[in-house]
Amino acid sequence: QSALTQPASVSGSPGQSITISCTGTSSDVGGYNYVSWYQQHPGKVPKIMIYDVSNRPSGVSNRFSGSKSGNTASLTISGLQAEDEADYYCSSYTSSSTLVVFGGGTKLTVL
Amino acid sequence: QVQLQESGPGLVKPSETLSLTCAVSGYSISSGYYWGWIRQPPGKGLEWIGNIYHSGSTYYNPSLKSRVTMSVDTSKNQFSLKLSSVTAADTAVYYCARTTVTTDWFDPWGQGTLVTVSS
Repeated sequence: QSALTQPASVSGSPGQSITISCTGTSSDVGGYNYVSWYQQHPGKVPKIMIYDVSNRPSGVSNRFSGSKSGNTASLTISGLQAEDEADYYCSSYTSSSTLVVFGGGTKLTVL
Repeated sequence: QVQLQESGPGLVKPSETLSLTCAVSGYSISSGYYWGWIRQPPGKGLEWIGNIYHSGSTYYNPSLKSRVTMSVDTSKNQFSLKLSSVTAADTAVYYCARTTVTTDWFDPWGQGTLVTVSS
């Protein structure tokens, strides 16, 4: 069981917007602005898409955005494209001895 | 640009020690940042193993702490992972990555190396 809770799967049609949630506690997501999101295509290396809740690394499409409310962080992908189909993982710094926790991952299907 | 590359045996016997090295190019480990290991069992999610700083300071996942040792060799610009007493549950793709003191992100990542624990 992962420390952060994500939906197992989400889907959307090309051009639509989807949101993936990542729920933690006040010891991790809710307590710090240290949430990041990773995209992983099958057999590939995870790629950072969002860091520190809402910051986009250079080169990442502005169709990807992040936010946080209370103990839940969210990744929104607008204007869905076929290439967005992948697994998405959230992670957060935690004040527990674990230091960092990951979500269980969400499989995004572009219909 | 910064690049990381894992190396080590792809097959380890149960009860033995898994040893991996991550070579860093395009950036001096001594210049800063933390350096971490993350693993991913086949078909499963990501699990943080630990971080190390160029000074040798380490932070380990408590669930693995009793079996993990990380070290750094600044002269070779690389860092290493040792995981002792492995079992089939340790079979995973092992990634190394650059991170920060608060581990708020991992970037870039190495290509990953599959380590299978089997006799």
